[in-house]
Amino acid sequence: GAGVSQSPSNKVTEKGKDVELRCDPISGHTALYWYRQSLGQGLEFLIYFQGNSAPDKSGLPSDRFSAERTGGSVSTLTIQRTQQEDSAVYLCASSLGQGFTDTQYFGPGTRLTVL
Amino acid sequence: KNEVEQSPQNLTAQEGEFITINCSYSVGISALHWLQQHPGGGIVSLFMLSSGKKKHGRLIATINIQEKHSSLHITASHPRDSAVYICAVGMNYGGSQGNLIFGKGTKLSVKP
Repeated sequence: GAGVSQSPSNKVTEKGKDVELRCDPISGHTALYWYRQSLGQGLEFLIYFQGNSAPDKSGLPSDRFSAERTGGSVSTLTIQRTQQEDSAVYLCASSLGQGFTDTQYFGPGTRLTVL
Repeated sequence: KNEVEQSPQNLTAQEGEFITINCSYSVGISALHWLQQHPGGGIVSLFMLSSGKKKHGRLIATINIQEKHSSLHITASHPRDSAVYICAVGMNYGGSQGNLIFGKGTKLSVKP
């Protein structure tokens, strides 16, 4: 009964480089979410996948951010041409049902530092 | 004005005290979540509620839809309850079903 896993746990990159963050949701969970938590700030919604439906990308801060979910399971969040303001903890969560009326299970996060 | 406001921002209590954390929101919602973020960063979902009251162990969550207000209570607090408690709401606007709006959190420290 593994929980949500994320990799890497820490990522340090130089400004301008691309990064990929990975999320493995709980098996059987149809919904997957990406959030961001900047230092001293609250959690911020980025993107939501539900089954085979088109993802809700309304929280992505710029077109440098994109995410995919392959085969309804693993998801990758890609940040192109990273900027220092992208430094944050990126959290993934999954839920059995859809949307905000179901319990979400969070991964440990990936701490991204852009130098 | 933030759509989700929590109070207090910081709270220090002595072990055994009764704790109340408040959350107010300004929009119609379909559900409200209480989350706990441990000092190491891990986040755990405590409650999801859309009406009434829920209880789990020493934790109680209540919501008043008419007043757009929720409270999280901790009875007989313990140092291991020290964490950041986050309120989040799913807005009832017919759009995305995944877009939670988060409060800034309440940092609780329980002293032995």
